[in-house]
Amino acid sequence: GAVVSQHPSRVICKSGTSVKIECRSLDFQATTMFWYRQFPKQSLMLMATSNEGSKATYEQGVEKDKFLINHASLTLSTLTVTSAHPEDSSFYICSVSRGEYEQYFGPGTRLTVT
Amino acid sequence: KQEVTQIPAALSVPEGENLVLNCSFTDSAIYNLQWFRQDPGKGLTSLLLIQSSQREQTSGRLNASLDKSSGRSTLYIAASQPGDSATYLCAVRDGGSQGNLIFGKGTKLSVKP
Repeated sequence: GAVVSQHPSRVICKSGTSVKIECRSLDFQATTMFWYRQFPKQSLMLMATSNEGSKATYEQGVEKDKFLINHASLTLSTLTVTSAHPEDSSFYICSVSRGEYEQYFGPGTRLTVT
Repeated sequence: KQEVTQIPAALSVPEGENLVLNCSFTDSAIYNLQWFRQDPGKGLTSLLLIQSSQREQTSGRLNASLDKSSGRSTLYIAASQPGDSATYLCAVRDGGSQGNLIFGKGTKLSVKP
């Protein structure tokens, strides 16, 4: 069965609005979750590492005030895209890692900003 | 800075063929390497994980090899089937077990019936 779930799977919003994406670890408690972004025909790029109970660590070039991450429990992390613009349209995927074992990915959320 | 390259970018084969997908990485100091499958508009499914101390891993018709010193990995698919059609992603983990996964752009495989 699925290890990681995401909601919603697809969202369309108007430019200037905010969108929240949820990521849940279903199989184990995850102290760390990862958020990736994938543009068409491109690699998955790590945006930020979400740590339970503390501030997220953002990769270079990712605006922390635009992409708000909250990891309030060991099974839930949320990514909020604030004041979304068309260039934020992408496929957002979360992931959880069980130590040195495999990394599990969610089914992704397709965001389209019109 | 670690970079991961996958060749070819796309591959089309007839059903039943054996095939090899290639992955190379620039920094051999990796913790592990993972192969994923991604179907259109979907998330990633883990196929095989190779630790840096291992040379290969097998799962069913899939076999992945790792040559860390030369910065290469291959994914071998035996007796390909139309259901194998997907994009295959290679990713390396840097800097210890909590290091980031660095992905290649993938190889889009199409298996024709």
